[in-house]
Amino acid sequence: EIVLTQSPDFQSVTPKEEVTITCRASQSIHSSLHWYQQKPEQSPKLLIKYASQSISGIPSRFSGSGSGTDFTLTINSLEAEDAATYYCHQSSSVPQTFGQGTKVEIK
Amino acid sequence: EVQLVESGGDLVQSGGSLRLSCAASGFTFSRHAMYWVRPAPGKGLEIVSVISTDGGSTYYADSVKGRFTISRDNSKNTLYLQMGSLRAEDTAMYYCTRDDGGGPFDHWGQGTLVTVSS
Repeated sequence: EIVLTQSPDFQSVTPKEEVTITCRASQSIHSSLHWYQQKPEQSPKLLIKYASQSISGIPSRFSGSGSGTDFTLTINSLEAEDAATYYCHQSSSVPQTFGQGTKVEIK
Repeated sequence: EVQLVESGGDLVQSGGSLRLSCAASGFTFSRHAMYWVRPAPGKGLEIVSVISTDGGSTYYADSVKGRFTISRDNSKNTLYLQMGSLRAEDTAMYYCTRDDGGGPFDHWGQGTLVTVSS
């Protein structure tokens, strides 16, 4: 099973700051890495697919990069509505797995 | 518009059973593998079970293997999860989701809450 490790687990950020969340895979997953946002009382929402591909309707301040084992989700100019938990997910091999999540709090 | 609507969650005693349903609309249900996903404390999200497009292939997390059964009815556009021998650690919100051609989960239901009392 491929283990995805996110860092940090928690981040407290002021509005307009840039946020960077990393996801490291225990073995190469090429570009089969996807990012989700989950707000309290809501279901997860797909933000970025295949490491860096944008999703229709998602604000352009969300971007992704990386390949192989190291990936990054960047939120440029954080807004208050971005308070949420962010998860990475690999679809390279079965069983598909998620990272443990990164909670982003707005100061 | 793609919609996934879960139902069936309830409060149940330890050792009990429950059947979850996920009604799909707005897309060709039979063309997508379907998943049940739940939060796992300290581990993020856990894929509980997966079923292939025709139902011929399934996967279960070790934590539920032998206790849960996933199925689908493509004529009714509905996904099911039969849960048995429920334990307190099965308490969670259960989400139904589909994959986008074997990749990301592009649509999710709102979830249905299962609470197991010990």
